[in-house]
Amino acid sequence: GDSVTQMEGPVTLSEEAFLTINCTYTATGYPSLFWYVQYPGEGLQLLLKATKADDKGSNKGFEATYRKETTSFHLEKGSVQVSDSAVYFCALGGAQGGSEKLVFGKGMKLTVNP
Amino acid sequence: SQTIHQWPATLVQPVGSPLSLECTVEGTSNPNLYWYRQAAGRGLQLLFYSVGIGQISSEVPQNLSASRPQDRQFILSSKKLLLSDSGFYLCARNPMGVGGGYTFGSGTRLTVV
Repeated sequence: GDSVTQMEGPVTLSEEAFLTINCTYTATGYPSLFWYVQYPGEGLQLLLKATKADDKGSNKGFEATYRKETTSFHLEKGSVQVSDSAVYFCALGGAQGGSEKLVFGKGMKLTVNP
Repeated sequence: SQTIHQWPATLVQPVGSPLSLECTVEGTSNPNLYWYRQAAGRGLQLLFYSVGIGQISSEVPQNLSASRPQDRQFILSSKKLLLSDSGFYLCARNPMGVGGGYTFGSGTRLTVV
């Protein structure tokens, strides 16, 4: 079945450091790819998405490019802030039985220190 | 608005007690709705999804059940809780169809003691 593998961390960075969170997937067909962020004690929020190969999703300084040839969707940010401290989830989605079903990676906890 | 309301926010229940978690959504009618559980160190697990009133699909065999009595209401239940039912329960909807991702509620933290 479909699956997502991502870095699990936890990772601690200093403010203004460069961030990369690796995500690779296994899927039949052509899934949509997502990054979600979860701040402490909250539900998940959609950070960015890409629906086809070579699409680049971007939001709040974060970027990820849908790479079909390497089945990857790595998340990057050039300069992290303390407010970026959260858990990050990579996910893939595909249509099934009249619904879109998302499969999530295990999540990676990021802590950014001032 | 595609707001999702979940309650309660936190819950502590003894082993063997019943459970009822409620999720209600605003916005477009006939949404696809989902229940996920987030257990410590285990990521997000899809428990149930529903494409309409009375239509429930179960993803994993377990001690829980789900119901959708109204278009915008999705309920997660158990007759007798187990310690392993502890976790963070999230309700989600799929507001834009395939490729749109999900909108999540703020979750319920359940601790079974």
